[in-house]
Amino acid sequence: NAGVMQNPRHLVRRRGQEARLRCSPMKGHSHVYWYRQLPEEGLKFMVYLQKENIIDESGMPKERFSAEFPKEGPSILRIQQVVRGDSAAYFCASSPTGVNYGYTFGSGTRLTVV
Amino acid sequence: QQQVKQSPQSLIVQKGGISIINCAYENTAFDYFPWYQQFPGKGPALLIAIRPDVSEKKEGRFTISFNKSAKQFSLHIMDSQPGDSATYFCAASKAAGNKLTFGGGTRVLVKP
Repeated sequence: NAGVMQNPRHLVRRRGQEARLRCSPMKGHSHVYWYRQLPEEGLKFMVYLQKENIIDESGMPKERFSAEFPKEGPSILRIQQVVRGDSAAYFCASSPTGVNYGYTFGSGTRLTVV
Repeated sequence: QQQVKQSPQSLIVQKGGISIINCAYENTAFDYFPWYQQFPGKGPALLIAIRPDVSEKKEGRFTISFNKSAKQFSLHIMDSQPGDSATYFCAASKAAGNKLTFGGGTRVLVKP
């Protein structure tokens, strides 16, 4: 049973480009969470999604960031017009229910904006 | 307030020693307190978690102590091993909620 799969592992974008981060949850998990980790800091919640629904996006910046979890396929975190401050590790977690125990994190996507 | 404050930022301990990491929270609605272990280049992995109805929970060499009145909890790693060298994060959430609030992390180095 594969864990939470995130790709790409590393992503380099120039300022102004778009970044697309993908997350495939564990088999049987229908809840996906995205967190951002800045260098030398803890993880910060961004968004919580179920299939085709955004449940809580209170941690997501209002501009340039969006997330989706379609009926088929992985969850996508999209960052438009990236800036240097977007450079961070982005982690996805999944769970079989909507509560916090049973979170499994992926290995993350390290985004570098040059 | 949603903050969780974690200390120290880094810790060096000799093999066989005890590593102690402390966290304090402000939101009295939090009632689930997990600890995560993160190795370089990897995602956080759940280590151990506690609910506030108990004051201590032990799993192998890892123990969480919880002080509800002080709104503090701590992780003790007994008989620390070089393989325990990692970054440890405390976190807190409302059990029925959906997001974890993480502390800033403690980088632990266990010297052989």
